[in-house]
Amino acid sequence: SQQGEEDPQALSIQEGENATMNCSYKTSINNLQWYRQNSGRGLVHLILIRSNEREKHSGRLRVTLDTSKKSSSLLITASRAADTASYFCAPLTQGGSEKLVFGKGTKLTVNP
Amino acid sequence: EADIYQTPRYLVIGTGKKITLECSQTMGHDKMYWYQQDPGMELHLIHYSYGVNSTEKGDLSSESTVSRIRTEHFPLTLESARPSHTSQYLCASSELGTSLGAQFFGPGTRLTVL
Repeated sequence: SQQGEEDPQALSIQEGENATMNCSYKTSINNLQWYRQNSGRGLVHLILIRSNEREKHSGRLRVTLDTSKKSSSLLITASRAADTASYFCAPLTQGGSEKLVFGKGTKLTVNP
Repeated sequence: EADIYQTPRYLVIGTGKKITLECSQTMGHDKMYWYQQDPGMELHLIHYSYGVNSTEKGDLSSESTVSRIRTEHFPLTLESARPSHTSQYLCASSELGTSLGAQFFGPGTRLTVL
């Protein structure tokens, strides 16, 4: 298992703006997953992108994956105050144990 | 919303008490996990299970123990709670098959040991 590293650590934007978060990892992956955590709650699975995919959409979320650079990005378009949360990426290692290792996440604040 | 439950949601207890944090899932997932998370910090895997009668220690050493007698149930026990155990404990489950290893989390138990 390996840890994804999110960047930036904190991001503050106005409602309606787009938010972009990045994730880097070290070894080959089976897939990469993004999660959201509202303060004091459990994580919620947002979107999963497989290693053979380059881009995936789900509602206002767009995830890209560049396996040559071992990086992924999560774009939230037209952000809302309710998007305020911490966002974590979790790479699932190829041939690994299926354990996910979570980093410190990106803390997103969307101001009304 | 995933069908994974944790009780209690909040627990305040004194030092030395034995406690059990409950976690149940109704999705039939084989794999279950316990994470410990301090406020604003990363999650640390403390225990996991790949099925009934299977338990493994995670990446962070923990004084807690777990059991997996039934597929749906994965309780965590602290024999003698200490203030250093104060934290949030998150339970999760997954199935590699169709969900490709995506984990579903419970709401967490926030434990405070006085």
